[in-house]
Amino acid sequence: EVQLVESGGGLVQPGRSLKLSCAASGFTFSDYNMAWVRQAPTKGLEWVASISYGGSNTHYGDSVKGRFTISRDNAKSTLYLQMDSLRSEDTATYYCARCNWELVCYYFDYWGQGVMVTVSS
Amino acid sequence: DVVLTQSPATLSVTPGERISLSCRASESVDTYLHWYQQKPNESPRLLIKYASQSISGIPSRFSGSGSGTDFTLSINGVELEDLSIYYCQQGNSLLTFGSGTKLEIK
Repeated sequence: EVQLVESGGGLVQPGRSLKLSCAASGFTFSDYNMAWVRQAPTKGLEWVASISYGGSNTHYGDSVKGRFTISRDNAKSTLYLQMDSLRSEDTATYYCARCNWELVCYYFDYWGQGVMVTVSS
Repeated sequence: DVVLTQSPATLSVTPGERISLSCRASESVDTYLHWYQQKPNESPRLLIKYASQSISGIPSRFSGSGSGTDFTLSINGVELEDLSIYYCQQGNSLLTFGSGTKLEIK
């Protein structure tokens, strides 16, 4: 059974940093591209970032480009999201998601339960 | 960036109805258009991939159609458990989501 378990969320002040983790199990992690998707309270879904299966290619949404860094450790089957210079508008539930089994991430076939990040002073 | 416009924003339905939800792209996304269901307080779930391809474990009352810029998600015989928000998402040019259509009971 595919499982994605996020951790590392919490309350953080504007301008500070936070690092999210996503522990994957039930599949060969190193075979899949992975992504982070977020959802602000009562709002819709927003793609944040994605990373290739080997970690060499990354892509970011415009709202986080230059502030967030996606990375992975295939030996630990873990996905990360380093979030710097956090703003109030980054407040959201962050989901870890597995991409389709192809060279390019076209859609998300499994999702974690999400972790809440609140940016507030 | 590709913008996806979903309509209506909210749809009031009667159980047993056949309904259609619309997703329109600002430019062609070919068939790289996918649908998700999100129930209250749950993570999203993939319903349909590549505009019309079914997903294992998803009830057959859900179907998708379209290509290019106009897409439709249909539910043939809405059930109470289908009350959710439905999102479309394109993967042709990076990744973007529509704003969602909320299904509620009439």
